[in-house]
Formats: sequence, C-alpha cells, structure tokens
Amino acid sequence: QVQLVESGGGMVQPGGSLRLSCAASGFTFSTYGMHWVRQAPGKGMEWVAFIQYDGRNSNYAGSVQGRFTISRDNSKNTLYLQMNALRAEDTALYYCAKSHLAVSGNFFDSWGQGTLATVSS
Amino acid sequence: QTALTQPASVSGSPGQSITISCTGTTSDVGGYDYVSWYQHHPGKAPKVLIYEVTNRPSGVSTRFSGSKSGNTASLTISRLQAEDEADYFCLSYASSSPRYVFGTGTKVSV
Repeated sequence: QVQLVESGGGMVQPGGSLRLSCAASGFTFSTYGMHWVRQAPGKGMEWVAFIQYDGRNSNYAGSVQGRFTISRDNSKNTLYLQMNALRAEDTALYYCAKSHLAVSGNFFDSWGQGTLATVSS
Repeated sequence: QTALTQPASVSGSPGQSITISCTGTTSDVGGYDYVSWYQHHPGKAPKVLIYEVTNRPSGVSTRFSGSKSGNTASLTISRLQAEDEADYFCLSYASSSPRYVFGTGTKVSV
C-alpha cells in the first residue's frame, strides 16, 4: 500500500532554514505529482507547493514563494521541501501528499502523517 | 484565496446521520466539480473520503456521501459510528493561485 513518511522537522530560529523529506513507497513515485501541505497550530490546512511527476514544473503558495523550494529525486523515491528565511508564521505540521495524476490534479489520494517545523527564537 | 467555510463542530448519536457543509465562491466550489473531502484522526495521515464532489475511492464506506449545490458542497455521514469521531475538511480546486483551497475544518463528535 502507499506509504509516505515525512522527516526533517525541528526547531529553528527566525531567518533559518530546514529541509523536509518525504520517503515514498508502495507506488511508482516517478509517475505522480506530489504536494506539500501544512497545518499551523489550531488552524486549517494550507496548500504549500506542488511538483509534477518529472520535476520539470512546480508552483507555490504566495506565502512561501521565493523562500521555499520543492524538489524530488525519483531515483530515491523522495520528495523534498527546502525552507529558507523561515518566519514564526511558518510554524506548522508539514504533510506530503500524493496527487492522483502525474500533473497537478484536483485531489490528494494519499497523505503522510506529517513532520513538525517550529520557528522560534 | 480565502479558506472555505465549514462549521467548527458537528455532533450526532450513533446510528444518526450528519451533514457537514463547505461554502466557497464561484471561483472555487461553485466553479468546478472538484471538491474532495478528507477524514483526519489527529496524529494520523488524512484519508480521502470523497473526490470530484460525489465519488468514493475504493475501500471507503458507503456511509460517506458527497453532494454540491451552487457554492456549497456537503458531506453526509450516515449511520454514525464511534470511529467516525475525527476532524473533516474539504478541498476545492480554484480558478486562481493558490489553486487548492481548503475548508476551515469540522470536528465531528459521536
């Protein structure tokens, strides 16, 4: 069955960086688009970024554009999110989620359990 | 894009039916048949229950059903069970960035 396991979360000071990873298994990773979604404490879900199956196209929420970079290594079945210039408002549980299509699609058919990133001085 | 509006909480007794609403605009819920619903037990991975307004993935109980009217989508849980106690949120594709807009989330108590 599909399994998505996030890692790399932790505590970092404002202005710092974190790199999140999502290890995928149970499906052909290289043929599906992937997303990052986050949930701040006490808040609803917020879409963060998407990357298509081959890594050639990606897009971002305005709140992270220019600071976050989504990437993937299909040889390692792993999705990444490089987060730079972190702010307190980036504190959240970060989930990776699988698209039902190779490109963006309209829903997420599998999710991980999330990894917590905390930005605080 | 503004988050889609859901009731903060809905409760029901075992065996009853409940409905959770998800209200957006003509730029998201009302403009596309691309609303999906998710069940989330805290600490676990969210699970898709409904996609494209009314479709149920294989393995999802037939007690979960979806519908849409205008700018409001709805999730109905029939024959409520204790295991249905969880958070539920909707997601809609949108006409402008960000392309994915989530609902505010609803806590269901049984």
